[in-house]
Amino acid sequence: EVHLLESGGGLVQPGGSLRLSCATSGFGFSSYGMSWVRQAPGKGPEWVSSIKGRGGDRRIYYADSVKGRFTISRDDSKSTLYLQMNSLRAEDTAEYYCAKDLASFPLYYFESWGQGTLVTVSS
Amino acid sequence: DIVLTQSPGTLSLSPGERATLSCRASQSVDSEYLAWYQQRPGQAPRLLIYTASNRATGIPDRFSGSGSGTDFTLTISRLEPEDFAFYFCQQYGSSPRTFGQGTKLEIK
Repeated sequence: EVHLLESGGGLVQPGGSLRLSCATSGFGFSSYGMSWVRQAPGKGPEWVSSIKGRGGDRRIYYADSVKGRFTISRDDSKSTLYLQMNSLRAEDTAEYYCAKDLASFPLYYFESWGQGTLVTVSS
Repeated sequence: DIVLTQSPGTLSLSPGERATLSCRASQSVDSEYLAWYQQRPGQAPRLLIYTASNRATGIPDRFSGSGSGTDFTLTISRLEPEDFAFYFCQQYGSSPRTFGQGTKLEIK
């Protein structure tokens, strides 16, 4: 069974940083694209970032709203996905979900999701 | 970016009734690359439907999806108590992948 468990969320001041982690199990992590999706309170989800799985170059994608501030990475030896978030803003406040893509290229729907970790940016 | 608009925002029905949820795109979704998800309070979102009409593994056949172009529908034929939840659509025909704002299905 696929299992995704996010951690690292919390309360941070504007301009601060946080690093989210997503520990996974139950599938061949290295073969799959992985993504971060966030959901602000009372709103629909928003795709944040994706990283390609094994094979060819390790392509990375970002939403315009986080480009230059967030960095996605993965450690295939630990089956873990990361999101380094810098220069945080109030509008980054959301539940952050780790999601497994259908295939190596993260271009499709999300087969599995974690339960999320809450990030609150406030002074 | 493709904007997905879901309606209604909230749908109040009783167990046993039929639910029809709409997802309308601001431009045509390539290859019917549209998915539906269910989100229960405190739980991870769950994939229900992909490519507009294909049920994901383990999803009961009371859930069905239809549509093409800009108009897509999720139908739940007979509501069970566990179906009252938040539902959202997602398109993956164009980059960036985008989501609708969701429909809350509540017990009447």
